[in-house]
Amino acid sequence: DAGVIQSPRHEVTEMGQEVTLRCKPISGHNSLFWYRQTMMRGLELLIYFNNNVPIDDSGMPEDRFSAKMPNASFSTLKIQPSEPRDSAVYFCAITGRTDTGELFFGEGSRLTVL
Amino acid sequence: KQEVTQIPAALSVPEGENLVLNCSFTDSAIYNLQWFRQDPGKGLTSLLLIQSSQREQTSGRLNASLDKSSGRSTLYIAASQPGDSATYLCAVPDRGSTLGRLYFGRGTQLTVWP
Repeated sequence: DAGVIQSPRHEVTEMGQEVTLRCKPISGHNSLFWYRQTMMRGLELLIYFNNNVPIDDSGMPEDRFSAKMPNASFSTLKIQPSEPRDSAVYFCAITGRTDTGELFFGEGSRLTVL
Repeated sequence: KQEVTQIPAALSVPEGENLVLNCSFTDSAIYNLQWFRQDPGKGLTSLLLIQSSQREQTSGRLNASLDKSSGRSTLYIAASQPGDSATYLCAVPDRGSTLGRLYFGRGTQLTVWP
């Protein structure tokens, strides 16, 4: 089964601080996704990579957000500077190598910006 | 862009009942549809993936059907148990795409009481 490890699981920070969220796929994959979940807007795609290349970043809210995938085993989502409205749960997800489109999620990183 | 709607938003039933959760989407040109389960504070777990060539998929007490022409899917849960309590979400990809962005409904929050 495909799987993803995310860290940190919880982060509380103050407005203006830099936040880095990490994602480590623990199985083979073709595509990696960053989603954000809030009560107001539900689940929204921020960005996704295919074979480590960013394909669609149209969901990234603004220039304060950036994402990288230096290799197939690691991705980061950075927010600099953070704002209270960035408070949400951020999920990393991958598709398996079978290319059926089935998506496997990590446990998420809950971010609170004070 | 897909608009995904799930009805009902919440459901509370006694143990043993058979349940029907509904999902509708606006663009019928999809290659697949997925149903997920989300427990509080957790990530999403893939339950069933229905390809466009299929009309239904079954896994244990779960059965999901897909009617592309009407833009609807139904998740049927047989003999519900307290352990089924969770939020159930459906998701569809962009028109004509098997990979990439998924559009999620807001979910049906299910409570099964003993």
